[in-house]
Amino acid sequence: GENVEQHPSTLSVQEGDSAVIKCTYSDSASNYFPWYKQELGKGPQLIIDIRSNVGEKKDQRIAVTLNKTAKHFSLHITETQPEDSAVYFCAAPGGNQGGKLIFGQGTELSVKP
Amino acid sequence: EPEVTQTPSHQVTQMGQEVILRCVPISNHLYFYWYRQILGQKVEFLVSFYNNEISEKSEIFDDQFSVERPDGSNFTLKIRSTKLEDSAMYFCATGQARETQYFGPGTRLLVL
Repeated sequence: GENVEQHPSTLSVQEGDSAVIKCTYSDSASNYFPWYKQELGKGPQLIIDIRSNVGEKKDQRIAVTLNKTAKHFSLHITETQPEDSAVYFCAAPGGNQGGKLIFGQGTELSVKP
Repeated sequence: EPEVTQTPSHQVTQMGQEVILRCVPISNHLYFYWYRQILGQKVEFLVSFYNNEISEKSEIFDDQFSVERPDGSNFTLKIRSTKLEDSAMYFCATGQARETQYFGPGTRLLVL
């Protein structure tokens, strides 16, 4: 089955700097890669996703890149702000027809003002 | 913007008791999921539900767990006889398409 590894587990940046979080997956058939932001005490919020027919997708300050050959995808946040502080999870499909998502271990991002 | 809602937000129960966690999906969504998150750990898949039947379930989702849409709108997760290790945050997720999933705020379940 699919296995998703996420790094780093914690990331601290200064406000205005960029942050990059990386994930690798094992199933070469996976074709959908979402990123979720989870604030304390809340549910995961879908912030951006990418399908395997494109290599990059941007939405304002966030972007996701996908390298299917290497089986990794990354979340890029530019001009970070304190409100970007949260735990970020990547995910990939579980490989069956049920739509299961397999999540990475999470990255706790701290943006210092 | 429509959101997935869940009730209750917190539930405390005694070991061996039954609990029902409720979810109201976004109105035009057809795919429904339950996930759980033990404190400090990653989100784990429990079950997916489509067209009034289970599509897939994980090894966590044993005979003590069940799901249903009793009235065509709410989506429920029942745990028949809770165990201490069932203590976790339970998230409902729904989607129009199979993989694009929107999560609710969760129910924090504590089994004593």
